[in-house]
Amino acid sequence: GQQVMQIPQYQHVQEGEDFTTYCNSSTTLSNIQWYKQRPGGHPVFLIQLVKSGEVKKQKRLTFQFGEAKKNSSLHITATQTTDVGTYFCAGRGSGTYKYIFGTGTRLKVLA
Amino acid sequence: DTEVTQTPKHLVMGMTNKKSLKCEQHMGHRAMYWYKQKAKKPPELMFVYSYEKLSINESVPSRFSPECPNSSLLNLHLHALQPEDSALYLCASSQEGSLFLNSPLHFGNGTRLTVT
Repeated sequence: GQQVMQIPQYQHVQEGEDFTTYCNSSTTLSNIQWYKQRPGGHPVFLIQLVKSGEVKKQKRLTFQFGEAKKNSSLHITATQTTDVGTYFCAGRGSGTYKYIFGTGTRLKVLA
Repeated sequence: DTEVTQTPKHLVMGMTNKKSLKCEQHMGHRAMYWYKQKAKKPPELMFVYSYEKLSINESVPSRFSPECPNSSLLNLHLHALQPEDSALYLCASSQEGSLFLNSPLHFGNGTRLTVT
């Protein structure tokens, strides 16, 4: 079945440093979504990528979808303490409403 | 704040108890989901309802029984659970239909379930 892995599993950064998490699917995806889950909270939708090679930006966050639509990345520039949480990618295969969540990357930002 | 409301927030139940988790949304979404999340793990899909009909069951044990009484409500009935079923149970909703295949999931705050 479809598997979605993320690396790294954990990342500790100093405030102001950059952060990147990578998402890799075992199968080609129709689209990929990114979610952020704060400690003790629920996943909150950040963004969606649909097209091969697509790049989207949200302030300090940059999202990319690979050319083969099997991988994606999230890059945060100049992290802030408010960026703390676990970042999940969620991929959907074609012809299905089923989103499979990646294993997640937990980010800690040290002030 | 979330537009998907889940009750209760916390639930402790014995292995012989019967309890229900409730989820409500008023965004007009016609797809509703139950996810299970263990600590430090990703949400794991359990069930998907589409237009009040069960469309996906991820081989979930029968001690979990979902119900969708109408387009706004989703229940998860629990019976004879095991301690390993302790987890955060998340409800989510999204728009449905071929035009909305890429709709994001809107999650509730979840019910933290402990089975003793």
